Amino acid sequence: KAGVTQTPRYLIKTRGQQVTLSCSPISGHRSVSWYQQTPGQGLQFLFEYFSETQRNKGNFPGRFSGRQFSNSRSEMNVSTLELGDSALYLCASSLSSRGSTDTQYFGPGTRLTVL
Amino acid sequence: EDQVTQSPEALRLQEGESSSLNCSYTVSGLRGLFWYRQDPGKGPEFLFTLYSAGEEKEKERLKATLTKKESFLHITAPKPEDSATYLCAPRRGAGSYQLTFGKGTKLSVIP
Repeated sequence: KAGVTQTPRYLIKTRGQQVTLSCSPISGHRSVSWYQQTPGQGLQFLFEYFSETQRNKGNFPGRFSGRQFSNSRSEMNVSTLELGDSALYLCASSLSSRGSTDTQYFGPGTRLTVL
Repeated sequence: EDQVTQSPEALRLQEGESSSLNCSYTVSGLRGLFWYRQDPGKGPEFLFTLYSAGEEKEKERLKATLTKKESFLHITAPKPEDSATYLCAPRRGAGSYQLTFGKGTKLSVIP
């Protein structure tokens, strides 16, 4: 079974630009979560989507947004990039059955560098 | 606010030298505590889920245990290939699928 895939793997952007990252979950998984990982803050939760709806949101500014499509694939967008947005962006998918503690399986991440 | 503290931040062990990593947490209505392993430049790899105090799970040289406020990852006779950053992540109660990660313990096993 194929794992979580993320594209692109690497991105270099300049301040003020916007960027879109893509995530394809494991087949059959309906929930997609996004995390930002930096050396200083570690892994921080951005948001989670289930059935095309944002179900949970972390403590990030509105410049960070996402969406999920009917095939469970997800995208996240960061507008007006800042230097501090440089990070590894990780996507995780899970089956997400109500009432269970679903395991989240992570993709390899997209390394974003903002110059 | 959910809090997760992992200690030590870094640990160097000789091959075969057993030790434990600690994860202390404050999460309301815990619905599982997850352990992951992360190699440099890669996404976290799932290891274990623990659901209730007293539960233990094992995988090769790793054993994870859970109490009401802490979880431990015991590494028995580690090998160099066990070198990685180990992350713990408790999940809060019903209605939220968010994981709150600790900053991890970077383990180095020296041959």
